[in-house]
Amino acid sequence: TQLLEQSPQFLSIQEGENLTVYCNSSSVFSSLQWYRQEPGEGPVLLVTVVTGGEVKKLKRLTFQFGDARKDSSLHITAAQPGDTGLYLCAGFAAGGGADGLTFGKGTHLIIQP
Amino acid sequence: GAGVSQSPSNKVTEKGKDVELRCDPISGHTALYWYRQSLGQGLEFLIYFQGNSAPDKSGLPSDRFSAERTGGSVSTLTIQRTQQEDSAVYLCASSFAGSYNEQFFGPGTRLTVL
Repeated sequence: TQLLEQSPQFLSIQEGENLTVYCNSSSVFSSLQWYRQEPGEGPVLLVTVVTGGEVKKLKRLTFQFGDARKDSSLHITAAQPGDTGLYLCAGFAAGGGADGLTFGKGTHLIIQP
Repeated sequence: GAGVSQSPSNKVTEKGKDVELRCDPISGHTALYWYRQSLGQGLEFLIYFQGNSAPDKSGLPSDRFSAERTGGSVSTLTIQRTQQEDSAVYLCASSFAGSYNEQFFGPGTRLTVL
């Protein structure tokens, strides 16, 4: 069973600050996805990373896939109140359950104005 | 619209009643997933359909839960003899073949069992 641990579970910071959330596992994943979920809505895909060491940027968000493809991080620069939400990582491993997809429990992020 | 749709958006029922939740995936997506999300929590996998293959039911919490997918498209999740602990948001997602199982989620059905 592949497990993904996200940290921190909860994070509340002031607007304009930087932050990093982490997604860690002892298992190797073929790819890893990050989703953001706002209250009352379903999660929305932000990015997929597939190559060890890969870095992707989405405006103020920077996603990194670990060299060994066991972990990932999401860094937000100059956080805005609109970044508030639940951030979920999901790893894809061929041959795993539910066609290989495992979700972490999420990081609740609150950006205070 | 072109997204995943779910109905109803909210369902309040009495303990012991049966409920049916519906999911319309994105046209052309071969895979369909059901998840459960308790208040403020992550996603709990329930069941997965891929094309015409037998579904992966490994996440269903009890035999009161069942799901079907007709014609490779619409799916219905049925909960029989509902219990208060079944109260949660039920999310449906679909993905297309050849992707990294990137999930497109519906808005969810909020189920409240009184």
